[in-house]
Amino acid sequence: KNEVEQSPQNLTAQEGEFITINCSYSVGISALHWLQQHPGGGIVSLFMLSSGKKKHGRLIATINIQEKHSSLHITASHPRDSAVYICAVPPNFGNEKLTFGTGTRLTIIP
Amino acid sequence: NAGVTQTPKFQVLKTGQSMTLQCAQDMNHEYMSWYRQDPGMGLRLIHYSVGAGITDQGEVPNGYNVSRSTTEDFPLRLLSAAPSQTSVYFCASSRGTGPRYNEQFFGPGTRLTVL
Repeated sequence: KNEVEQSPQNLTAQEGEFITINCSYSVGISALHWLQQHPGGGIVSLFMLSSGKKKHGRLIATINIQEKHSSLHITASHPRDSAVYICAVPPNFGNEKLTFGTGTRLTIIP
Repeated sequence: NAGVTQTPKFQVLKTGQSMTLQCAQDMNHEYMSWYRQDPGMGLRLIHYSVGAGITDQGEVPNGYNVSRSTTEDFPLRLLSAAPSQTSVYFCASSRGTGPRYNEQFFGPGTRLTVL
């Protein structure tokens, strides 16, 4: 099983701050997922990345395959970014059943 | 497109009762999964299906059954509910497996309480 660790578990920041959430995993993978769980409980996929960097609006995801590490950045954070951010990885190459991290609870204060 | 739908949204059961959680998707996705989410733990895979007629167990399958008679529907059956099955259940689908097709689409979840 691929072990997934996210840090920090909880993060509180002021509106406008630059946010970084980290994810480390133990076994080489084909792609890593970043998901967002809204306060109401719904889960949406933000990114799926195999290498390098992806950007969507104010969200940026990076991955370092050699170091088995990924980061999710939020620029110019806003209270609506308050959510739980979850990293997920498959157990190994060629197997796409996902193992999920426990999530990072982000709170942005106006 | 409605995406992935789940019913019911909330359910309370007594120990020993059985029930079926419904999941449907209208995106013609081949891959469907059921997860449970418990406090302090990541989502855990219960059962999954790679296409109609094909299902397999995930990490925590005990006490649950699934079937996949159509591409659209993937119901989860609790055979004899136990308090340990109190959880939030999510159904998800994706076009397939592999890094190009594995973007996950989640249903809204079912909050189940077993007394």
